[in-house]
Amino acid sequence: DAGITQSPRHKVTETGTPVTLRCHQTENHRYMYWYRQDPGHGLRLIHYSYGVKDTDKGEVSDGYSVSRSKTEDFLLTLESATSSQTSVYFCAISDYSGRAETDTQYFGPGTRLTVL
Amino acid sequence: SQKIEQNSEALNIQEGKTATLTCNYTNYSPAYLQWYRQDPGRGPVFLLLIRENEKEKRKERLKVTFDTTLKQSLFHITASQPADSATYLCALSGGSYIPTFGRGTSLIVHP
Repeated sequence: DAGITQSPRHKVTETGTPVTLRCHQTENHRYMYWYRQDPGHGLRLIHYSYGVKDTDKGEVSDGYSVSRSKTEDFLLTLESATSSQTSVYFCAISDYSGRAETDTQYFGPGTRLTVL
Repeated sequence: SQKIEQNSEALNIQEGKTATLTCNYTNYSPAYLQWYRQDPGRGPVFLLLIRENEKEKRKERLKVTFDTTLKQSLFHITASQPADSATYLCALSGGSYIPTFGRGTSLIVHP
C-alpha cells in the first residue's frame, strides 16, 4: 500500500462519541484525501488537503473535520459519531504536479468503522 | 451535475475470455480518465490512465479506450484469469488533483 498506513484498522464505537482516524504517509506527497466507501455509493470524498494546514471540503464533509499539521499525517475526526457514519474509510495520497500522469491516487488499507 | 455510471451488476465470464467493462459519464469534460482495481478489504490500486486526446492505451493484457464523443470508456482484460476477479473503478479528472470515482463494477472470472 505504497507507504500509507491507517490507524486504527477496525473500530467499534457508540453514537455520540468522538472518533479520530489517522493517515500516515512516508512518500512526502503533497496531497492527501479522506474518502468513505459504502455499498451503492462507491468512493465519496470527505475532505482533502493540498499542503500542511491547507484543507478543503469534499462532497460529504458534514459531521467530519480534518487536520494536517505535518506533511506525513492527515487526521479525520468525527466530532460526535452517528450510525450513518458507519463505513469503510480510505486515505489516499497524490503527488500531482500538473501532469496527468502525476494525478494517480495511492490508497491506504482502509479503516472499518462501526457506530452502534 | 456530473454523473459517472458503471454497471452495478457483476460481470461473470469464463477464464480465457475477454472481459469488457464500461464507464459512461455525463455533464463532464474530463481531461483524462483512470482505471483502478479494488480487491475485497483493500484500497483501490491504479491500473491505467488515458488522456482525452488518446483513443486507446494498452498495458500487458489490459486495454482502455476513451471516446469523448460517446462520453464513454471501455476497459478490456484479454485472456482473463480467476486472479483478475475484483471490482474495477473508473475515475475522471478535469485536470485538477480531485478525481471523481464511479461506483465500480465487479468482475468474476470463472475457472
